[in-house]
Amino acid sequence: GENVEQHPSTLSVQEGDSAVIKCTYSDSASNYFPWYKQELGKRPQLIIDIRSNVGEKKDQRIAVTLNKTAKHFSLHITETQPEDSAVYFCAVQGDDKIIFGKGTRLHILP
Amino acid sequence: NAGVTQTPKFRVLKTGQSMTLLCAQDMNHEYMYWYRQDPGMGLRLIHYSVGEGTTAKGEVPDGYNVSRLKKQNFLLGLESAAPSQTSVYFCASSYSLRVEQYFGPGTRLTVL
Repeated sequence: GENVEQHPSTLSVQEGDSAVIKCTYSDSASNYFPWYKQELGKRPQLIIDIRSNVGEKKDQRIAVTLNKTAKHFSLHITETQPEDSAVYFCAVQGDDKIIFGKGTRLHILP
Repeated sequence: NAGVTQTPKFRVLKTGQSMTLLCAQDMNHEYMYWYRQDPGMGLRLIHYSVGEGTTAKGEVPDGYNVSRLKKQNFLLGLESAAPSQTSVYFCASSYSLRVEQYFGPGTRLTVL
């Protein structure tokens, strides 16, 4: 079955710097790659997603890049702000079940 | 619109007891999901449903049963609770596959 690896598990960046989180997957048939943000004590919420026919997608300070050949995709957050502190989950889905990564806890340092 | 709601918010059970968690959505979504979230483990899919009257197993289905008798409701049952089922349970829904899932607020379950 599908296997998703997410790195790093914890990331601390200075406010204003960029953060990058990477996920790798095993099933080449997977074609949908969402990213969810979960603030402390809250429910996960979608922040951006990408499909396999696109290499990059951007939404203001957030971007996702996909390398289908290497089977990895990354979340990029630029000009980080205190409200970006949260746990971020990548996920992978093909024609069947969705599989989530184990999450990255992002700390924005003042 | 309330979105996705879950009942109850918190529950403490003794080993061997049974309970049902209720998920309701008012978005007319076809797909509904139950996840458990444990520290360092991310979100793991327990069971899901692709429409009223249908259910399917996810990654970690053992010890749980589900039912989708009405399109707007998805029930998760624990017949004989075990301490390993202590977790936060999230329900989610979506209108199709490979689109955004909308999550409920979660249920914190402790099994003693």
